[in-house]
Amino acid sequence: SQTIHQWPATLVQPVGSPLSLECTVEGTSNPNLYWYRQAAGRGLQLLFYSVGIGQISSEVPQNLSASRPQDRQFILSSKKLLLSDSGFYLCAWTRGGALGEQFFGPGTRLTVL
Amino acid sequence: SQKIEQNSEALNIQEGKTATLTCNYTNYSPAYLQWYRQDPGRGPVFLLLIRENEKEKRKERLKVTFDTTLKQSLFHITASQPADSATYLCAPRKNAGNMLTFGGGTRLMVKP
Repeated sequence: SQTIHQWPATLVQPVGSPLSLECTVEGTSNPNLYWYRQAAGRGLQLLFYSVGIGQISSEVPQNLSASRPQDRQFILSSKKLLLSDSGFYLCAWTRGGALGEQFFGPGTRLTVL
Repeated sequence: SQKIEQNSEALNIQEGKTATLTCNYTNYSPAYLQWYRQDPGRGPVFLLLIRENEKEKRKERLKVTFDTTLKQSLFHITASQPADSATYLCAPRKNAGNMLTFGGGTRLMVKP
């Protein structure tokens, strides 16, 4: 069966510090991968998606970047965090080419102080 | 611009009643629409997918309708239980690709 992992679960970082969140998927190959951010009481905002290694598309211009160094690994990064980067970050995957039922990870709660 | 509207106010109902949640969208025509359940501090979990050529879809106590003329989807939970309390998100597919646009969700509270 497939599983998706995210870490860390929670993170408190000062403004201006770097960020690296990691997401890995097990039990499938060549998944489509997604990074979302959810502000408190709000819907999910798609940040990045990837259909393959090294292929990243950005949905919203922002202070963040993403990379996919391996087939089942997706990393969200920032060189300098802003207060507005606080939120709940969710990684998700779908089977490539299939209707878009998405499987979400447990999320990372990021607080920027 | 594309917009999805879900009632941001919580829906409070009594156990055993039918809960009905609404999702309205404007300025696009999704080929399908999905519904997800999200518990506090957790990632969303997929519930149902309905295609544009389907009027209704059922799964156990869940029923989803999709009216492409009204640009609306309704999500029903019959015989609701306190365990159904959660936030429910609708997610129409974007115009291309395997990407979804999520609504802000409606919080459902089922009281015993």
